[in-house]
Amino acid sequence: AQSVSQHNHHVILSEAASLELGCNYSYGGTVNLFWYVQYPGQHLQLLLKYFSGDPLVKGIKGFEAEFIKSKFSFNLRKPSVQWSDTAENFCAVNPYSGGYQKVTFGTGTKLQVIP
Amino acid sequence: NAGVTQTPKFQVLKTGQSMTLQCAQDMNHNSMYWYRQDPGMGLRLIYYSASEGTTDKGEVPNGYNVSRLNKREFSLRLESAAPSQTSVYFCASSDPPGQDGGNQPQHFGDGTRLSIL
Repeated sequence: AQSVSQHNHHVILSEAASLELGCNYSYGGTVNLFWYVQYPGQHLQLLLKYFSGDPLVKGIKGFEAEFIKSKFSFNLRKPSVQWSDTAENFCAVNPYSGGYQKVTFGTGTKLQVIP
Repeated sequence: NAGVTQTPKFQVLKTGQSMTLQCAQDMNHNSMYWYRQDPGMGLRLIYYSASEGTTDKGEVPNGYNVSRLNKREFSLRLESAAPSQTSVYFCASSDPPGQDGGNQPQHFGDGTRLSIL
């Protein structure tokens, strides 16, 4: 079964700082990868997804992520964070298949941006 | 377009009571899911329904039952609530895997905060 590790549990940054949140997964085959964001008091929303093709994917609100297959990683980045980026971010992975496969979520990284 | 609607938003129960959490989606998605979210543990899948008429256990199904009433609705029932079931519960839905085999992103409801005393 697949698993997801998010090593940073809580990240505090000042506005305009650059962001990189780590996500590593364990699964031997092809995977689909997602980053979701949960703003305070709200539900999870999709930030970006990787299915195939260009390993650098761009999402909403200036976020991007790079899939590095050799490192089993899918790190989330943003060049300059804003106070409104304060949220909890979840990495998720599921095996690529012709049928349904369960998605596994990481434990989340709380991002706090200080004005 | 409401997306995924969960009711109730908040609920307090006593140990041993039962209740049903309701979830409905209006996006014509085939697949629906129930998760619980606990601090430091992320989202854990309780049950899912890949398509109407089917349900399967997820990672933490003990103490729960589900019903896929129709394509729109997927309910979660706690038969005898326990304090360990205090959590925030999220329902989600998604399209079925695409023709290329890739699972589609999930759309989440606003959650139900459940406290069991």
